[in-house]
Amino acid sequence: TQLLEQSPQFLSIQEGENLTVYCNSSSVFSSLQWYRQEPGEGPVLLVTVVTGGEVKKLKRLTFQFGDARKDSSLHITAAQPGDTGLYLCAGVGNAGNMLTFGGGTRLMVKP
Amino acid sequence: DAGVIQSPRHEVTEMGQEVTLRCKPISGHDYLFWYRQTMMRGLELLIYFNNNVPIDDSGMPEDRFSAKMPNASFSTLKIQPSEPRDSAVYFCASSRTGLGSSYNSPLHFGNGTRLTVT
Repeated sequence: TQLLEQSPQFLSIQEGENLTVYCNSSSVFSSLQWYRQEPGEGPVLLVTVVTGGEVKKLKRLTFQFGDARKDSSLHITAAQPGDTGLYLCAGVGNAGNMLTFGGGTRLMVKP
Repeated sequence: DAGVIQSPRHEVTEMGQEVTLRCKPISGHDYLFWYRQTMMRGLELLIYFNNNVPIDDSGMPEDRFSAKMPNASFSTLKIQPSEPRDSAVYFCASSRTGLGSSYNSPLHFGNGTRLTVT
């Protein structure tokens, strides 16, 4: 079983602050996805990273895939209350169609 | 696009009762996944189907759980008999292509069924 560990589990910050969420594994993934989940809803895909070292930007969100494709990070610049939610990383294993989710980082941005 | 539709949104039942959760995937999506989410264990894959055929059910906790996909537009997850430890949010998700394909098709999740077994 390929495991993904996310840190921190909980994060409470003030509006305008920057933050980084980490997603780590001892396994190699063919690709990695980041999802955001709001209360009462299912996760929604933010981005997919495929190539080792790849960096993708989505407005104030920057996603990076580690060179060895074992880890990833999500950096949010100038966080806003609308960024509040549960952030989940999920790895696609080399074996096929299994998507393994990390435990998630629950982010709260206070105005 | 109506998205993935799950019903019911909430289900409260007594221990020992049968529970049936329903899912309508997005039209044209060949893959359907059932996940369970709890605070302790996060999102766990229970089973997934490709073209209505169960491919991997290794995540199904035990024989009390069963899933079917009689056609491309409908799937059920049944728990019989239900137990308090089955309380969780159950998500159905669909994708157009497989995750292992060169084109990474995202999972589209429904809004889940919150199951409470007393």
